[in-house]
Amino acid sequence: SQTIHQWPATLVQPVGSPLSLECTVEGTSNPNLYWYRQAAGRGLQLLFYSVGIGQISSEVPQNLSASRPQDRQFILSSKKLLLSDSGFYLCAWSQLANTEAFFGQGTRLTVV
Amino acid sequence: GENVEQHPSTLSVQEGDSAVIKCTYSDSASNYFPWYKQELGKRPQLIIDIRSNVGEKKDQRIAVTLNKTAKHFSLHITETQPEDSAVYFCAASGVTGNTGKLIFGQGTTLQVKP
Repeated sequence: SQTIHQWPATLVQPVGSPLSLECTVEGTSNPNLYWYRQAAGRGLQLLFYSVGIGQISSEVPQNLSASRPQDRQFILSSKKLLLSDSGFYLCAWSQLANTEAFFGQGTRLTVV
Repeated sequence: GENVEQHPSTLSVQEGDSAVIKCTYSDSASNYFPWYKQELGKRPQLIIDIRSNVGEKKDQRIAVTLNKTAKHFSLHITETQPEDSAVYFCAASGVTGNTGKLIFGQGTTLQVKP
């Protein structure tokens, strides 16, 4: 069966520090991968999606970047965090277009 | 790009009553419409989905309807129970290239009062 791992679960980082969140999927190959951000009391905002190694599409201009160095690994990064980067970050995968997306446990990021 | 609007933002019902959540989408090319439930502190999980070639789909107490002409779809929960209390998200997706980007609504916090 397929599983998705996302870590860390919680993170407190000072303003201006770098960020690296990692997500890996097991039990499948060539998944579509997604990073979403959920601000407090708000919806799920799509940040990045990837259909293959090295292929990244950005949905919104921001202080973040994403990379997919391996087929089942998706990384969210920032060189210098802003206060506004605080939120709940969710990684997700789907096997095919327009099929169920499965979410990781999420990372609660607090920038102080 | 696709934009999904969801209403209401909060909904409070008595146990046993019905709950309806409505969403509208902007991209007429969207053809997949899932609904997710997110319990407090947990990840969103799919509860039901519908594709554009179907007008209605039902799974026990949950049903979803789709009106492609009007570009709106709704979630109906009947005989609500306290464990239905959660945040519900609608989403819309259309194939671009070989990926379907799921664009979510803002979410509805449903409270079912015992």
